Amino acid sequence: EVQLVESGGDLVQPGGSLRLSCAASGFTFGSLWMSWVRQAPGKGLEWVAEITPGGSDKYYLDSVKGRFIISRDNAKNSLYLQMNNLRAEDTAMYYCGNFLVGWGQGTLVTVSS
Amino acid sequence: QAGLTQPPSVSKGLRQTATLTCTGNSTNVGNQGAAWLQQHQGHPPKLLCTREYNRPSGISERFSASRSGNTASLTISGLQPEDETDYYCSAWDTSLHMWVFGGGTKLTVL
Repeated sequence: EVQLVESGGDLVQPGGSLRLSCAASGFTFGSLWMSWVRQAPGKGLEWVAEITPGGSDKYYLDSVKGRFIISRDNAKNSLYLQMNNLRAEDTAMYYCGNFLVGWGQGTLVTVSS
Repeated sequence: QAGLTQPPSVSKGLRQTATLTCTGNSTNVGNQGAAWLQQHQGHPPKLLCTREYNRPSGISERFSASRSGNTASLTISGLQPEDETDYYCSAWDTSLHMWVFGGGTKLTVL
């Protein structure tokens, strides 16, 4: 059974940082591209970032380029999202997963003073 | 950044068939196909169909996907009350190097 468990969401002030983690199991994590998507309150889904299986290539939503860093540790079956210089508009539920196996339950990031 | 176009709402009767559409262009839907997700209020998105038209384990055969040109479609047969919720499509854009989403379709089962 595919399991994706996100953690690390919190209330943070504008300009602050957070590191989200995602623990994966039930599939061959190291062979798949992995992504983060987010959903602001009352809004639709928005893709944030994606990383290749080996971690050498990464792709980002324009509005997060230079602020967010996606990474992975295949030995630990884990995906990460380092979020720096956070803005109010980054407030959202963040989900990890991909379009082959699905998505986790999410972790909530709130950026507010 | 450009997204995919989905009708905001679709209404169909119980046990009828609904077809939801998702229109993109030649660099996303027309090139790579689209994945479909279902999301109930307050819950995470659930993958219904991959862009290769595969259903993950546990997804009902009532859900099927197809594509014609730059438009992808999700067909839901034998509509049930629990099918009333939001549906999103998404495709990898080979020009933008990103996944683009549609704005979502709210399906009402009458």
